[in-house]
Amino acid sequence: GAVVSQHPSRVICKSGTSVKIECRSLDFQATTMFWYRQFPKQSLMLMATSNEGSKATYEQGVEKDKFLINHASLTLSTLTVTSAHPEDSSFYICSARDQAGGNPNEQFFGPGTRLTVL
Amino acid sequence: GQQLNQSPQSMFIQEGEDVSMNCTSSSIFNTWLWYKQEPGEGPVLLIALYKAGELTSNGRLTAQFGITRKDSFLNISASIPSDVGIYFCAGQRMRSNAGGTSYGKLTFGQGTILTVHP
Repeated sequence: GAVVSQHPSRVICKSGTSVKIECRSLDFQATTMFWYRQFPKQSLMLMATSNEGSKATYEQGVEKDKFLINHASLTLSTLTVTSAHPEDSSFYICSARDQAGGNPNEQFFGPGTRLTVL
Repeated sequence: GQQLNQSPQSMFIQEGEDVSMNCTSSSIFNTWLWYKQEPGEGPVLLIALYKAGELTSNGRLTAQFGITRKDSFLNISASIPSDVGIYFCAGQRMRSNAGGTSYGKLTFGQGTILTVHP
């Protein structure tokens, strides 16, 4: 199956700093990627839809200036958490659609990035 | 954002027992999906359902798309210790625009935490 990677897997940062998380589709091209946030013992909540070559679409209540998304190529999307605060500590998960795959609707999920803001 | 109602929230069972969990929604979905998530990892797709009434199996797993399109269930037969994890249902709707028909974002249930005692 299609593989999606995330980097880093874990990051600890100080409050006020910015953190960049990368999401890569390793063996397929993805015009659309998704970013989710998951708090402990809770479900995945969609933050934004990342489209290659255009602006991301953010869900209601997600600050686009705080969570910057760049879909620079067909295999890479980045999420930058700007001026991070302790309440931003969470598990961030990306997913990608294989547009040329057998099921172009299926989303393949990355392994997630654990962000801890001190 | 909208969430699906998934139950039970958690289950503690003995190895060899069968498991059943379900999701309900107040509105219709065109696709129902079931995922498994293990600690510190992203969700992995178990079964996808595309037609109302559809019953699909994947090994010891069986899932059905409710006739009303507002519910789905997942059964696991003869559970084993490696079945431990969090199981999520997800619903998806189709949308039509000038470019044709496409699938929208995923809406996740709250998850069912499964513990299997040897």
